[in-house]
Amino acid sequence: GNSVTQMEGPVTLSEEAFLTINCTYTATGYPSLFWYVQYPGEGLQLLLKATKADDKGSNKGFEATYRKETTSFHLEKGSVQVSDSAVYFCALSGGNSGYSTLTFGKGTMLLVSP
Amino acid sequence: EPEVTQTPSHQVTQMGQEVILRCVPISNHLYFYWYRQILGQKVEFLVSFYNNEISEKSEIFDDQFSVERPDGSNFTLKIRSTKLEDSAMYFCASSEALPVRGIITQYFGPGTRLTVL
Repeated sequence: GNSVTQMEGPVTLSEEAFLTINCTYTATGYPSLFWYVQYPGEGLQLLLKATKADDKGSNKGFEATYRKETTSFHLEKGSVQVSDSAVYFCALSGGNSGYSTLTFGKGTMLLVSP
Repeated sequence: EPEVTQTPSHQVTQMGQEVILRCVPISNHLYFYWYRQILGQKVEFLVSFYNNEISEKSEIFDDQFSVERPDGSNFTLKIRSTKLEDSAMYFCASSEALPVRGIITQYFGPGTRLTVL
């Protein structure tokens, strides 16, 4: 079945540092890929998405490119802020599973210090 | 901005007791979902619901679980006889249409933390 693997956290960075959170997936067919973010005490919010190979999703300075050849969807941001501290989840839908099902990674906590 | 709400934020129960977790999806949404996250593990899909029927369910969603939309606003998850391993954060989500090819966004609530003693 579908699966998503993302790097273990926590990731600890200083403000304005460059961020990469790795995400790889296993799925047949053509899944759609997502990054969700969870701020403390809040629900999961969609950060960005990509629905086909080579698509780049972007939002709030974050971006990720759907790489079918490496089955990856790594999240990047050029300059993180303290307010970016949160848990980031990579997810996919489609592929082996129904399109209403999101398959998540374990989440990566990001801690940004001033 | 409309949002999904869930109550309670934290529920503590004894093993073997029934619990009902409540969710109020976004008002014009038609598709509803439950996910759970056991501490330190992945967020896992439980069930999706549309037009008063279950659309999809995972292997986790066994006979101990049921879902219902008892009125026009609430969407509930019932666990009939809780087990220790049901302790988890339960997330409700909704979307306005069927997420064909994953294009439609699922909006998540803040979660209910269920602790089974």
